[in-house]
Amino acid sequence: GQQLNQSPQSMFIQEGEDVSMNCTSSSIFNTWLWYKQDPGEGPVLLIALYKAGELTSNGRLTAQFGTTRKDSFLNISASIPSDVGIYFCAGHRDAGGTSYGKLTFGQGTILTVHP
Amino acid sequence: KAGVTQTPRYLIKTRGQQVTLSCSPISGHRSVSWYQQTPGQGLQFLFEYFSETQRNKGNFPGRFSGRQFSNSRSEMNVSTLELGDSALYLCASSPRQGTQTQYFGPGTRLLVL
Repeated sequence: GQQLNQSPQSMFIQEGEDVSMNCTSSSIFNTWLWYKQDPGEGPVLLIALYKAGELTSNGRLTAQFGTTRKDSFLNISASIPSDVGIYFCAGHRDAGGTSYGKLTFGQGTILTVHP
Repeated sequence: KAGVTQTPRYLIKTRGQQVTLSCSPISGHRSVSWYQQTPGQGLQFLFEYFSETQRNKGNFPGRFSGRQFSNSRSEMNVSTLELGDSALYLCASSPRQGTQTQYFGPGTRLLVL
């Protein structure tokens, strides 16, 4: 099925460094969401974006809804060991019946933080 | 508020059997979506229910089905299990129609032998 193009696939960083990841699509999305998933658990919602150009923060996390509606970005500042996990972007397209309740996901970014 | 709960958390079945997974959404949430997560395909949308009606279905065979009850709790069923059905099955709830901010449960890990 359709996937969002999420990059990078993995990142190895030192504690205290900033992290950037992004998601792109060939289609327009009306909502962009960012999730974090720990092993054996479900994704946890980090940030939700609803308008093109919107910039939203949640603590050390900042995400942006791209102005073209075809991309989104997530930044993590001053990383700490508990930031380790898999980060997913997800988008929703407003396309009537075939879009109800359906999120399209990126393949995820695996983040490793070295103390 | 309690989060989305899913039962069971782990399940082992053999090929040909069927399985039923349960999901209780966040209190007051009426929309429930189901996803399959595998290493190869990532997170794939199965179906969505709102007010006991299936409103949308992903590209999965008819062996995958679901339902929603009047209290918004949902179940999904997979019949005639295949090895490839081994996956993490995730349920997500959303507060109301038209909002796509979804909150996920911990998932049910299904292993088909």
